[in-house]
Amino acid sequence: GENVEQHPSTLSVQEGDSAVIKCTYSDSASNYFPWYKQELGKRPQLIIDIRSNVGEKKDQRIAVTLNKTAKHFSLHITETQPEDSAVYFCAASVYGNNRLAFGKGNQVVVIP
Amino acid sequence: DAGITQSPRHKVTETGTPVTLRCHQTENHRYMYWYRQDPGHGLRLIHYSYGVKDTDKGEVSDGYSVSRSKTEDFLLTLESATSSQTSVYFCAISSGTENTEAFFGQGTRLTVV
Repeated sequence: GENVEQHPSTLSVQEGDSAVIKCTYSDSASNYFPWYKQELGKRPQLIIDIRSNVGEKKDQRIAVTLNKTAKHFSLHITETQPEDSAVYFCAASVYGNNRLAFGKGNQVVVIP
Repeated sequence: DAGITQSPRHKVTETGTPVTLRCHQTENHRYMYWYRQDPGHGLRLIHYSYGVKDTDKGEVSDGYSVSRSKTEDFLLTLESATSSQTSVYFCAISSGTENTEAFFGQGTRLTVV
């Protein structure tokens, strides 16, 4: 099955700086790549997603880029704020099976 | 928030006892999932359902069974709970129309003593 890996496991950034989290996936048939944010004690919630027919997608301060050749995709958070502190999960899903394989998560800490 | 409710939210049980967790949705979504979340392991799929009475195993299905007798309910059963099943369990739903967003429930914290 699909195997998704995230790096780094923990990321500390100064408020206002940018944060980048990278994920790699194993199955070249994967075509859907969402990112979820989980605040402490809360449920994971989708923040952005991208499909394989698109190379980049932006939504205000967050963006996701996809490199299908290298089988990796990245989350970019610009102008980080304290409320961006959370665990971020990437995931991948193969066309048609509607099963998300999640990475192990990245703890992002924004230092005021 | 999507209409998805998990019950109970917290449970402590003894080793060897059966436990059933319930996931209830009001969105009429086709797909329902059970994940467990453990430190260092992220979210791992236990079982999922793609319709009433249609279920399949995920990556960590041993020791768990599921049932879906109606669209809105997806039950996860631990036949004989073990300490290794102490975890936070999340239910998720998805409309399933070509890999769309999965909405998560609030989670159930299960402790097996």
